[in-house]
Amino acid sequence: DQQVKQNSPSLSVQEGRISILNCDYTNSMFDYFLWYKKYPAEGPTFLISISSIKDKNEDGRFTVFLNKSAKHLSLHIVPSQPGDSAVYFCAAAYSGAGSYQLTFGKGTKLSVIP
Amino acid sequence: DSGVTQTPKHLITATGQRVTLRCSPRSGDLSVYWYQQSLDQGLQFLIHYYNGEERAKGNILERFSAQQFPDLHSELNLSSLELGDSALYFCASSVTGGYQETQYFGPGTRLLVL
Repeated sequence: DQQVKQNSPSLSVQEGRISILNCDYTNSMFDYFLWYKKYPAEGPTFLISISSIKDKNEDGRFTVFLNKSAKHLSLHIVPSQPGDSAVYFCAAAYSGAGSYQLTFGKGTKLSVIP
Repeated sequence: DSGVTQTPKHLITATGQRVTLRCSPRSGDLSVYWYQQSLDQGLQFLIHYYNGEERAKGNILERFSAQQFPDLHSELNLSSLELGDSALYFCASSVTGGYQETQYFGPGTRLLVL
């Protein structure tokens, strides 16, 4: 049973436009959410995170929005750049787990077209 | 470069064999996590070690085992290999494994079982 779902395997966006990547989760115990970016032949790299006490977190061109009632989060990239082309993984964790293990979605491949 | 190293980068072996994957965490990090990424799947948590001791287990098969040595490097042992064990295996490290600490991922080991 997938607890973190990224329903769009791929997304194509024009350079300069907004990229919106979506993620849904089912486990209401999750209270911390992250986005990782992965280039081919490399490991995932931490991008941005959000705690469940917030509904928005910004870092430069990247903003993550959290809607707890809908169990949904999204990553906005504005403006999108060709270097943003990568696979983006949504991940979640909860404080009561005893170990800070991450539960990942399957990823969304973002292609930013010049 | 995350500072986490994994060897080997690629491994090809046959069913029934045993392999060992190695991970060296970032300097100063005490926690090591192992994740498996099968085809078209998100990363799945396998096991977490902190300062030489097992902290948590995820969906790790009984044929798999891990350990963390006094110098903090970790090894993941996979035995009686099956075709379905073909996957990318990532390790990640963090300072203490505490909640919300960023996990830094290595480049992964790609295992192919023929």
